[in-house]
Amino acid sequence: DTGVSQDPRHKITKRGQNVTFRCDPISEHNRLYWYRQTLGQGPEFLTYFQNEAQLEKSRLLSDRFSAERPKGSFSTLEIQRTEQGDSAMYLCASSLSGRETQYFGPGTRLLVL
Amino acid sequence: TQLLEQSPQFLSIQEGENLTVYCNSSSVFSSLQWYRQEPGEGPVLLVTVVTGGEVKKLKRLTFQFGDARKDSSLHITAAQPGDTGLYLCADSNYQLIWGAGTKLIIKP
Repeated sequence: DTGVSQDPRHKITKRGQNVTFRCDPISEHNRLYWYRQTLGQGPEFLTYFQNEAQLEKSRLLSDRFSAERPKGSFSTLEIQRTEQGDSAMYLCASSLSGRETQYFGPGTRLLVL
Repeated sequence: TQLLEQSPQFLSIQEGENLTVYCNSSSVFSSLQWYRQEPGEGPVLLVTVVTGGEVKKLKRLTFQFGDARKDSSLHITAAQPGDTGLYLCADSNYQLIWGAGTKLIIKP
């Protein structure tokens, strides 16, 4: 297993455009998490899935953000009408329920111009 | 809302020196995890501590968990340039709650 992968690694977009990121978790992991990290800060929780069910969303996840995990495997995070404040590193992690350890992907760095 | 404070925010030292960084919580940790993050990469788990007073060692890294489970320290002996990175602590509930990290630079 190659671990958690994320695509793309970098994305530059213009304000107002929509972007979509993909996360492929470790194959046997049923939990998947999205975090956002801005420069000089620790990550902030956005949302998490157990299998295909989205169990919790942070208040940070505005209406412009939507996440899906349709078959309980990979997940997508879409940001509509991007704003400059959305510029950040978007991290995905996966774990097995009942286990504390989350394994992180390399992140997608988003820059909104 | 639980708040995690890490100190110092930034530390730059010479190779071979020892250092300690700290993580303090406004409330008792569920369990505490230390991560290291390199630029452009995701965090990598170093250790999980659960029991108050627990000490864990990982080569030259020593992790201590406070008796009251509200604070922790990470001590690095004889730091090497490969130790450079952002050291993050997190409360490992189902969603991780993170400190802002200590940015560590080890100069050769």
